[in-house]
Amino acid sequence: GNSVTQMEGPVTLSEEAFLTINCTYTATGYPSLFWYVQYPGEGLQLLLKATKADDKGSNKGFEATYRKETTSFHLEKGSVQVSDSAVYFCALIGSRGGSEKLVFGKGMKLTVNP
Amino acid sequence: GAGVSQSPSNKVTEKGKDVELRCDPISGHTALYWYRQSLGQGLEFLIYFQGNSAPDKSGLPSDRFSAERTGGSVSTLTIQRTQQEDSAVYLCASSTRSGGLTYEQYFGPGTRLTVT
Repeated sequence: GNSVTQMEGPVTLSEEAFLTINCTYTATGYPSLFWYVQYPGEGLQLLLKATKADDKGSNKGFEATYRKETTSFHLEKGSVQVSDSAVYFCALIGSRGGSEKLVFGKGMKLTVNP
Repeated sequence: GAGVSQSPSNKVTEKGKDVELRCDPISGHTALYWYRQSLGQGLEFLIYFQGNSAPDKSGLPSDRFSAERTGGSVSTLTIQRTQQEDSAVYLCASSTRSGGLTYEQYFGPGTRLTVT
């Protein structure tokens, strides 16, 4: 079945540090890929997405590129802020049509210190 | 506009009791999902409703779990004879579906269920 593997952390960085969270997937067909973020005390929010190979999703300074050849969707940010402290989930939807249920990685907790 | 709402926000129940969790999706969203977030299993899909179609129940962990969606809007997730392993945060999400395209799923704040 479909699955997502991501770095689990926890990770602590200093403000303005570079962030990479690795994510790889296993899926049949052509999945859509997502990064969701869960800030402390808040619900899950979509951070960015990519629906086909070589697409780059971006939002709030975060970027991720859909790499079909390496089945990866790594999240990057050049300079993290304290406000980026959250749990980050990589996820996929296996195929269009049907239930389009999200399959999540286990999440990675990021803490950014001033 | 209003987002996805869930009630109660917290529920503590004794092992063996039944519980009902409620989800109010965003108005006009035809698709509704239930997920469960637990320390051991991470985030996992439970059930999906889309319009008048038969629900996808493939993620329900046992026959003690059931869900319904009345009038294409509000949904209730019922857990019968609760067990300690049912302790988790239950998340509801909704999205709009059109033309076979994938749209964002908007999540509610969740219901934290604790079974003692």
